[in-house]
Order: sequence, then structure tokens, then C-alpha cells
Amino acid sequence: GIQVEQSPPDLILQEGANSTLRCNFSDSVNNLQWFHQNPWGQLINLFYIPSGTKQNGRLSATTVATERYSLLYISSSQTTDSGVYFCAVFPSTNAGKSTFGDGTTLTVKP
Amino acid sequence: DGGITQSPKYLFRKEGQNVTLSCEQNLNHDAMYWYRQDPGQGLRLIYYSQIVNDFQKGDIAEGYSVSREKKESFPLTVTSAQKNPTAFYLCASSRGLEETQYFGPGTRLLVL
Repeated sequence: GIQVEQSPPDLILQEGANSTLRCNFSDSVNNLQWFHQNPWGQLINLFYIPSGTKQNGRLSATTVATERYSLLYISSSQTTDSGVYFCAVFPSTNAGKSTFGDGTTLTVKP
Repeated sequence: DGGITQSPKYLFRKEGQNVTLSCEQNLNHDAMYWYRQDPGQGLRLIYYSQIVNDFQKGDIAEGYSVSREKKESFPLTVTSAQKNPTAFYLCASSRGLEETQYFGPGTRLLVL
């Protein structure tokens, strides 16, 4: 099956700093999504981004499907950004069969 | 309010017992999913359903069963055949298989 690697596994920042999270995947995909999991376990969808660039406030994401990677940018980080960020990919051959990466754990210190 | 609900929030299972986790959505979504999350890891797909009365196995379906008799409901049964069921179980839905997924709050299952 498709392999998904996220980096870095852990990231510690001071409030106000910027960061870039990376997601590499091993095969072609029709769909890629970024999620944030809060400390209570709730997952929130951040972006649906199979290709191109999207922005939502302080967050933006870019997917380069031909090179099989996606980047999530967080600017001016806040303590509420802490949590785990996951990317999930959905292969071209089977749209429902998602594969999640192991996530990047972000800690933002005040 | 539209959303996805899961119950119970916490569930304790004795050895050899089957338990059923509930997932309901009022978003009018066709597709629904069950995932399992172990500590420090990502989510793994158990089953998914594209439409009523149809469902497909994910990567770790052994020891689990599902049904999809109604569009809004997708219950998951953890059978006694699942040898290591202690985990956090998450349900999600989307309009279609290639659409944005929305997650419920999860059920934590603990085997006694």
C-alpha cells in the first residue's frame, strides 16, 4: 500500500514563531487532507488539498502531487496551535482507502 | 446543529465479550468511516462505507464488523476475535469518498 512519512515527528516553538510541516507519500493520490488533533483527541479538518496552494488565516498548505509531497505552514504560532498534525492521502486506485501519517506533534510555548 | 456523534465516550470490555460502538451523523453524508488510533500513532482504517447497504474492508478489518442499514448510522462491533482491542476509535463521514472528512469525538475502549 501507499506509504506516508511526516516530518519532523516533534516540534517545539515559542509563541509567534513560524513552522513548516512536511508530508511525503509514495504513490499518486487523488486526495490529500491535513488534520489537527487537539489534546482531547478531536480531529479537525484543516485543508482538502490534492494539489496547489490554499490559505486559511495563519495556516496555508501546498501540495506538489507530481513530486509526491505536501507542506503545511503555520505562521505566528499560538499556544492553541499545539497538538498533533496529520496528513492523510487517498490513492488514485481506491478513493476510500485512506492512509494517515504518524503525525507531527507541535508544542507552542508561551 | 449538524455533526457526528459517537457513543459511549468510554467503554470497558471484558475478555471474550463483543461490544458495539455507535456513530451517527446528521450531515446527510453518503460516506462513513471507522478508524483505530493507538497511542503515538496515526489513524488506521478499519471499514468504510460509500453508500447504504455497502461497506468495504480497510487495512485492519480482522476482528471487527459493521453494518450500514441507514444513511446516518454506521455502528462498529468489536468482536472477541479482536485480540488487542484497547484503542481510541474514531468515526468520520464525508459527502463522497473523495471529499473532506469530518470526525466525531471518538470512543476510548479499554479491555479489563
